[in-house]
Amino acid sequence: DQQVKQNSPSLSVQEGRISILNCDYTNSMFDYFLWYKKYPAEGPTFLISISSIKDKNEDGRFTVFLNKSAKHLSLHIVPSQPGDSAVYFCAASARTGTASKLTFGTGTRLQVTL
Amino acid sequence: DAMVIQNPRYQVTQFGKPVTLSCSQTLNHNVMYWYQQKSSQAPKLLFHYYDKDFNNEADTPDNFQSRRPNTSFCFLDIRSPGLGDAAMYLCATSRAWAEQFFGPGTRLTVL
Repeated sequence: DQQVKQNSPSLSVQEGRISILNCDYTNSMFDYFLWYKKYPAEGPTFLISISSIKDKNEDGRFTVFLNKSAKHLSLHIVPSQPGDSAVYFCAASARTGTASKLTFGTGTRLQVTL
Repeated sequence: DAMVIQNPRYQVTQFGKPVTLSCSQTLNHNVMYWYQQKSSQAPKLLFHYYDKDFNNEADTPDNFQSRRPNTSFCFLDIRSPGLGDAAMYLCATSRAWAEQFFGPGTRLTVL
């Protein structure tokens, strides 16, 4: 049973436009959500996170929105740049115990075209 | 630069031949994680260490073991690799509750 779902395997956006990547989750115990970016032959790189007590977090061109009632989060990239082309993973955590155990989605491949 | 290092980047082993993957970190984080990622799938947590305390995921096969001799190093041992164990293995570190930092991964091929 996949608890974190990214239903769009790929997305193509023109440079300068907005990229919107979506993620849905099923486990209501999740209280911390993260986005990671992955280039080929590299490990995932942390991008931005949001706690369940917030509904929005912004960092430069990246904004994450959380809709708890819908169990949905999204990552907005504005404006999109060619260097943003990568695979984006959504991850969720229920911070019990002493570590932040992440459950990942399957990723969305973003291609930013010129 | 503080980082997470994985060696080797590519590992080829034979069916049933034990293999060890290595992870080291200069971040001085107290938590270290091992994930398995198969093609087009989500990374899947195998186990993690909080300091010396080992935490195994319920569905991690017994074939997978781990050692953490000190804060900086963590090893993943696959006792008898099968063809289904071919995957990318990712090591990550974090301070408790914080975001995780990943190494570049080791791609394991089983012949």
